[in-house]
Amino acid sequence: QVQLQQSGPGLVKPSQTLSLTCVISGDSVSSNTAAWNWIRQSPSRGLEWLGRTYYRSKWNNDYAVSVKSRITINPDTSKNQFSLQVKSVTPDDTAVYYCAREDRTSGLDYFDYWGQGTLVTVSS
Amino acid sequence: DIQMTQSPSSLSASVGDRVTITCRASQSISSYLNWYQHKSGKAPKLLIYSASSLQSGVPSRFSGSGSGTDFTLTISSLQPEDFATYYCQQSYSTPTAFGQGTRLEIQ
Repeated sequence: QVQLQQSGPGLVKPSQTLSLTCVISGDSVSSNTAAWNWIRQSPSRGLEWLGRTYYRSKWNNDYAVSVKSRITINPDTSKNQFSLQVKSVTPDDTAVYYCAREDRTSGLDYFDYWGQGTLVTVSS
Repeated sequence: DIQMTQSPSSLSASVGDRVTITCRASQSISSYLNWYQHKSGKAPKLLIYSASSLQSGVPSRFSGSGSGTDFTLTISSLQPEDFATYYCQQSYSTPTAFGQGTRLEIQ
């Protein structure tokens, strides 16, 4: 059974960097059949995909255009986890942030396991 | 990028009702369409993948259909635990995209 455990601060000041971590159990961040994603949810935007990291002979990243200039997703193989950093946050980045596994085994690609969610509020 | 549009945005129904939610893609996505249920304070839950395949453990009252640009999620007989927000998601191309959600409320 795959489990994803998120951690990170719930309050970030404007212009600072939001940082979250997702620890994986029951799978490997280096899996060749999965991708590791960050998704956020807010009342104004619904579910918004932010980006992902995955290993296919080498590490790859994809990012949403809306945050591409501010976002970094990194794997940590030594701790079997991956992280999210969003720079220069504004109140518009206030949301519940989720990490999620994307099963890419069959080419159908869906998010089958999710972290518990972290409410991040951007406020001074 | 592919845009996903759901309708209706909200829906009131009663226990036992049959409910259908529609999702439309801005271009053909074949059958690369997934459905999720989201309850407040919980992580989204995968219900249907590849337009019509039921995820393991999901009750059979949930079903999905469609291909190309038009898709539906049907709940055959609403149960109290089904009141939630439902999202479609296309996995045909990167970036993936979700619909704006359909809030299913108790009538």
